[in-house]
Amino acid sequence: GENVEQHPSTLSVQEGDSAVIKCTYSDSASNYFPWYKQELGKRPQLIIDIRSNVGEKKDQRIAVTLNKTAKHFSLHITETQPEDSAVYFCAASQRDDKIIFGKGTRLHILP
Amino acid sequence: GAGVSQSPRYKVAKRGQDVALRCDPISGHVSLFWYQQALGQGPEFLTYFQNEAQLDKSGLPSDRFFAERPEGSVSTLKIQRTQQEDSAVYLCASSLASGRSRPYEQYFGPGTRLTVT
Repeated sequence: GENVEQHPSTLSVQEGDSAVIKCTYSDSASNYFPWYKQELGKRPQLIIDIRSNVGEKKDQRIAVTLNKTAKHFSLHITETQPEDSAVYFCAASQRDDKIIFGKGTRLHILP
Repeated sequence: GAGVSQSPRYKVAKRGQDVALRCDPISGHVSLFWYQQALGQGPEFLTYFQNEAQLDKSGLPSDRFFAERPEGSVSTLKIQRTQQEDSAVYLCASSLASGRSRPYEQYFGPGTRLTVT
């Protein structure tokens, strides 16, 4: 079955700097890669997703890239703000099916 | 409109007790998923329904776990003879459609935090 690895597990960046989180997946049949943000005690919220027919997608300060050949995908957050502090999960899925999550990255934005 | 709701939000059970966790998906959503999230970990898939049909239950950790969605709307996750290792947040998610060529976003509920003492 699918396995998603996520790095780093913890990331601290100065406010205003960029943050990058990297993930790999194992199943070449996966074709949908969502990213979720989870604040303490809250539900996971989808922040951006990318499908396998696209290499890059951007939404304001957030961008995702996908390298299907290498089975790598990454989340980039620019101009980080205090409200970006949370746990971020990458994930992989096939069609409308179960989502396989990474173990998460705890992002700290330092003042 | 209303999102996915779950009840109860918190449940404390003594080891050996049975518990039932309820999920109300977004109206009209065909697919419903259950995930288990242990402290400090990512959500892990348990089971998946398309309408009332349970299409995948490969993630259920043991035969003490049972899920149903008899009318294709509300779903219940039942855990029999709870054990300490069952302590986790149980998340429900729903999505609009299945069987299409492109997947649909899964909307998560707030979760039920189960503590087994």
